Amino acid sequence: EAGVAQSPRYKIIEKRQSVAFWCNPISGHATLYWYQQILGQGPKLLIQFQNNGVVDDSQLPKDRFSAERLKGVDSTLKIQPAKLEDSAVYLCASSSQLMGRGTEAFFGQGTRLTVV
Amino acid sequence: EDKVVQSPLSLVVHEGDTVTLNCSYEVTNFRSLLWYKQEKKAPTFLFMLTSSGIEKKSGRLSSILDKKELSSILNITATQTGDSAIYLCAVVSGTYKYIFGTGTRLKVLA
Repeated sequence: EAGVAQSPRYKIIEKRQSVAFWCNPISGHATLYWYQQILGQGPKLLIQFQNNGVVDDSQLPKDRFSAERLKGVDSTLKIQPAKLEDSAVYLCASSSQLMGRGTEAFFGQGTRLTVV
Repeated sequence: EDKVVQSPLSLVVHEGDTVTLNCSYEVTNFRSLLWYKQEKKAPTFLFMLTSSGIEKKSGRLSSILDKKELSSILNITATQTGDSAIYLCAVVSGTYKYIFGTGTRLKVLA
């Protein structure tokens, strides 16, 4: 089966510019996650979608970050305006909750963002 | 607040050594604990643990969950240079939220 697709793979922008990342989850996976991973740290959840509804966005800096998952499939994450501390790898993951048991989350290759 | 703590933060061993990585957690409505290996960017799945005391094994890797102690260990025997990576522990809560630890950075020297 096809994995989680993310684009772009790399992005370099200047501070105060805007940037958008795209994610296409595994077909049929209802849950989609966006994580931010700063060098030397574990992934930090930014937002979790169940179908096209938001389950958790408590750690999303809403003054500059936004995300949407139209039609419950693809998702985009936007940063506007970017700050230097946003430099990180942005990982998208998806998982299935068949019969309420859940499966492992599968990750995309991530987008490495550098803000200069 | 939900949290996952991994130890050690980093580890350097020689090929052939055995290593034990630790993960402890505090989470609301525990569903499962997962181990991932991260070599470049995308974490790759190793194990999912839901029941206490049942060892999961894959080749030289094994893992076990202790729900009483709220912890898990990942063992790697006869380490190889290809095992060098960051090992991430994640705990899944009742809402299927994955909470990750900081990871253990393992370096295996030839």
